[in-house]
Amino acid sequence: NAGVMQNPRHLVRRRGQEARLRCSPMKGHSHVYWYRQLPEEGLKFMVYLQKENIIDESGMPKERFSAEFPKEGPSILRIQQVVRGDSAAYFCASSPLGGDNQPQHFGDGTRLSIL
Amino acid sequence: DAKTTQPNSMESNEEEPVHLPCNHSTISGTDYIHWYRQLPSQGPEYVIHGLTSNVNNRMASLAIAEDRKSSTLILHRATLRDAAVYYCILSPSGGSNYKLTFGKGTLLTVNP
Repeated sequence: NAGVMQNPRHLVRRRGQEARLRCSPMKGHSHVYWYRQLPEEGLKFMVYLQKENIIDESGMPKERFSAEFPKEGPSILRIQQVVRGDSAAYFCASSPLGGDNQPQHFGDGTRLSIL
Repeated sequence: DAKTTQPNSMESNEEEPVHLPCNHSTISGTDYIHWYRQLPSQGPEYVIHGLTSNVNNRMASLAIAEDRKSSTLILHRATLRDAAVYYCILSPSGGSNYKLTFGKGTLLTVNP
């Protein structure tokens, strides 16, 4: 049983470049959540997606950040024109159903470093 | 949102039971209590959750106080693999309960 797969595990970008983070949910899961963990802090919710729909993006910065979960393929978190403050670990989680206190299954994250 | 309070760190010996406390004095009647843990360099891992009654699963037990203002995660026999940061999280029933709010958690050290 494959868990939530995130790639790459580590990503280095220079300021101004674009970062693309991928997340393949567990088999049978159609709900995906993205979280960000800044150094020495707890995870913070960013966005919740269901296949082809953004359900809640209230935790995602309004500029430069976008997320999608297409009908086919992984969910993508995209950060344009990265800045040093974007350096963090980005975690994706999935669940078979939405809300209603479903346990979320997390991937091992993408550690983004901005030079 | 209701808040949780956990000790910053705890220490245990291998093969002994561990009781990880969590205070949530402002919990509302419909808040679920979730526990996740995060091993070094990994993503959080779901451990257990409950509402009012005590819960058991293969990983741990969750003991919930009668007034629900506190709860305890019980690891029956700690192993070195249980060394992690443990997060106690409240999640309301309904609404945006998918937004898990992770605090600083309790760093559990397990001594061989």
